[in-house]
Amino acid sequence: RKEVEQDPGPFNVPEGATVAFNCTYSNSASQSFFWYRQDCRKEPKLLMSIYSSGNEDGRFTAQLNRASQYISLLIRDSKLSDSATYLCVVNYNAGNMLTFGGGTRLMVKP
Amino acid sequence: NAGVTQTPKFQVLKTGQSMTLQCAQDMNHEYMSWYRQDPGMGLRLIHYSVGAGITDQGEVPNGYNVSRSTTEDFPLRLLSAAPSQTSVYFCASSPLGGGQGETQYFGPGTRLLVL
Repeated sequence: RKEVEQDPGPFNVPEGATVAFNCTYSNSASQSFFWYRQDCRKEPKLLMSIYSSGNEDGRFTAQLNRASQYISLLIRDSKLSDSATYLCVVNYNAGNMLTFGGGTRLMVKP
Repeated sequence: NAGVTQTPKFQVLKTGQSMTLQCAQDMNHEYMSWYRQDPGMGLRLIHYSVGAGITDQGEVPNGYNVSRSTTEDFPLRLLSAAPSQTSVYFCASSPLGGGQGETQYFGPGTRLLVL
């Protein structure tokens, strides 16, 4: 079983739609949680760090449920420019290592 | 600042050849790491370093060596390339380390094909 699991998608949504991605992690000792965005053939870039139970940044809301060991990302009012792969990333307190999920691909259509 | 730079962008190797992937950062970050990304697998950590002179293994270290003689540079060496090492390689850095829950800054990647 992968340590960080995501639905690979693709999620095909129209502009203006609301879309949500989930991510589950297996290690209950996880301490830090992130969503990264990766455009096709580019490097990953930080989208959001997740603090406490979650946080919001404009159209993006990330939530953390430690009891169920899952993280979610909600995108409201989707834009064409939101088309990308979204990577769920978890850090375990035991070491200096990040564990990445396989990514969820989002395609926003006109 | 250039951020994190990687060379080369693309490389084709024959099985058994060796090569070094270069990574440099100009942000004075202590923590640097190497990942490989394969389709459907996400990024997997190869090696990392928490400072000059200190390196450690990640999830998939076999077939790769690293060294960290300066804060700025963190080269990745493939000792004897194999087709299974065909992948996209990303170098990343952060101020203190992944354990601090910080943003990782990634380089643009090196696409490697081993025939």
